[in-house]
Amino acid sequence: AQSVTQPDIHITVSEGASLELRCNYSYGATPYLFWYVQSPGQGLQLLLKYFSGDTLVQGIKGFEAEFKRSQSSFNLRKPSVHWSDAAEYFCAVGAKNTGNQFYFGTGTSLTVIP
Amino acid sequence: DTAVSQTPKYLVTQMGNDKSIKCEQNLGHDTMYWYKQDSKKFLKIMFSYNNKELIINETVPNRFSPKSPDKAHLNLHINSLELGDSAVYFCASSQGPSGFYEQYFGPGTRLTVT
Repeated sequence: AQSVTQPDIHITVSEGASLELRCNYSYGATPYLFWYVQSPGQGLQLLLKYFSGDTLVQGIKGFEAEFKRSQSSFNLRKPSVHWSDAAEYFCAVGAKNTGNQFYFGTGTSLTVIP
Repeated sequence: DTAVSQTPKYLVTQMGNDKSIKCEQNLGHDTMYWYKQDSKKFLKIMFSYNNKELIINETVPNRFSPKSPDKAHLNLHINSLELGDSAVYFCASSQGPSGFYEQYFGPGTRLTVT
């Protein structure tokens, strides 16, 4: 069965430091992969997505993610974190067939300290 | 223009009451969803409709009844509210029912049952 694991429940980084949020998935084929961000009191916003091709994908707000098939991972990175990046981050896997299309991870809460 | 809107944003009610949450999307999407986000930020899919047809019906108490009058609207009616129903409910939409399509989320409805 498909599943998504975000091993880090909470991460704290200093403003200006680099960031990496981990995501591992379990899926029988190459999945569709997504990262969403949820700012406090808001809905989820798509940061980036991977379908095929170049394994390094660029997203909005300076984020990027790298798909590594051998590690079943899709980690999110940002070279320099801003205080406004403090939010909840969700990794998601989309199934290729219809049915239960999206599997969300449990989220990683990011705190940014000055 | 808001892409996916929900009303109300906040809903406080007593146990045993019946309440509805409304969702509308102006993206021209065919598929709409209801998610429940608990206090630990875990996102659980509840229902999905594609062109007004129910395609996902997860294990949810039958006190929850979705209704899609047209493909731009998906409402959620909850009967006999219980304390455990307190959560944030998100509506989302996507171009189609496949996991290929990213989902666009509404701002959420925070339901508090007292």
